[in-house]
Amino acid sequence: GNSVTQMEGPVTLSEEAFLTINCTYTATGYPSLFWYVQYPGEGLQLLLKATKADDKGSNKGFEATYRKETTSFHLEKGSVQVSDSAVYFCALSSGGYNKLIFGAGTRLAVHP
Amino acid sequence: EAGVAQSPRYKIIEKRQSVAFWCNPISGHATLYWYQQILGQGPKLLIQFQNNGVVDDSQLPKDRFSAERLKGVDSTLKIQPAKLEDSAVYLCASSLRTSGGRYGDTQYFGPGTRLTVL
Repeated sequence: GNSVTQMEGPVTLSEEAFLTINCTYTATGYPSLFWYVQYPGEGLQLLLKATKADDKGSNKGFEATYRKETTSFHLEKGSVQVSDSAVYFCALSSGGYNKLIFGAGTRLAVHP
Repeated sequence: EAGVAQSPRYKIIEKRQSVAFWCNPISGHATLYWYQQILGQGPKLLIQFQNNGVVDDSQLPKDRFSAERLKGVDSTLKIQPAKLEDSAVYLCASSLRTSGGRYGDTQYFGPGTRLTVL
């Protein structure tokens, strides 16, 4: 069945460090891929998405490229800020009904 | 544009009691989803509505959970009777359409209801 695997957290970085959160997936057909972010005390927010192979999603300095050959959608940011501290979820939508399959989430803590 | 509204934000009940959660999606969104998020895990879909019809309820524990979406707008999720393992955050989301796969339609999430079953 469809599934998403994310690197385990927590990830702890200093401000201005480079961030990578790994995400790989298993899916039939042609899934769309998403990164959602959950800030403390808030609901899930869409961070970025990509709907076909080689597409790059980007938002707020974050980027992820849909790699069909490696079934990956790694999240990157060149310089993190304290305000980026949150839990990040990788997800896919496959099939006709737009059901989202989520990874377990990766907690990011950024220190000044 | 108003987002997805949910209430209550927090609920504490004893096991075997009943509880209901309410969701109001973004205006004009045809599709509504209920997810369960257990601490330390990603959200898991419980039920999905297209207008007021059920599209997917394959992971809904139907012996104790029920949901309805009257008139294709608001929705209510009920648990009766609650068990300890139902402690979780219940998230409601909506999207404009039900297009999945390569047309993956963005889902917008509400703030969630945190349920604690004692």
